[in-house]
Amino acid sequence: DIQMTQSPSSLSASVGDRVTITCRASQGISNYLAWFQQKPGKAPKSLIYGASSLQSGVPSRFSGSGSGTDFTLTISSLQPEDFATYYCQQYNSYPLTFGGGTKVEIK
Amino acid sequence: QVQLVQSGAEVQKPGASVRVSCKASGYTFTSFFMHWVRQTPGQGLEWMAVINPSGGTTRYAQKFQGRVTMTRDTSTSTVYMELSSLRSEDTAVYYCAREGHTSSFDSWGQGTLVIVSS
Repeated sequence: DIQMTQSPSSLSASVGDRVTITCRASQGISNYLAWFQQKPGKAPKSLIYGASSLQSGVPSRFSGSGSGTDFTLTISSLQPEDFATYYCQQYNSYPLTFGGGTKVEIK
Repeated sequence: QVQLVQSGAEVQKPGASVRVSCKASGYTFTSFFMHWVRQTPGQGLEWMAVINPSGGTTRYAQKFQGRVTMTRDTSTSTVYMELSSLRSEDTAVYYCAREGHTSSFDSWGQGTLVIVSS
C-alpha cells in the first residue's frame, strides 16, 4: 500500500496568512493526488485533483503543486472559513490511501 | 446538481451486520463509479470499496475482504455497503463518494454514523 504522510499535523495561523501543507507519498504517484477540506461534523469537500487542478467552485486562493512523491497545498491568504482539517489522498493505485490530516487552527 | 443522500445512523451489536445506503441524483447513475470511505478517530480516513454501477463489479480493500459487500440498484440509483461481523473498532462515520471524470472524488454523501456497542 502507498503511505501518505502529511506535515504538519496541525498549525496555527492568522487571517491573511499564507499557509502551506505538505504531503509525501511512499512511492511515486505521478499527479494522482487530491486534496480535501473537512470541517467538524461535515463530510469532506473536494478541493483539488490531479495535484494542481481546482474543483469547480473552489476559490483561487487554494493551489496545489507537485508530482511524483512530494506535493503541497497552499492557501495564499487564509480566510475565516478556511479553518478546517485538510487531507491529501492518492488515487494512483488501489487501495486508495489518505494522509493523516492537517488541522488549521486560528492563532 | 449532484446529490448523494445516505441512510440514517445505526446502532448495532458486536457480531451483527449493518447496511448503509447512498441514493444518487442529479446525474446518470451508471456513468460514475461510487466508493465507500470510513472515518474513525483512531484511523482517520480509510478507503473501503468501489463499485461500477454499470456492471456491478466491485473492488474491496484487503482489510475488509470477506466482511464488506457493495451492491447497487440501478432502478433507484442507490448503492449499498454491507459490513458484517461488526466489532467495536468498526464504530465510524461511513461516507459514499462519487468518482468523477477526473478519477478523483468530486462529491460526497453526508455520512452515516455506525456505532457498534453491546
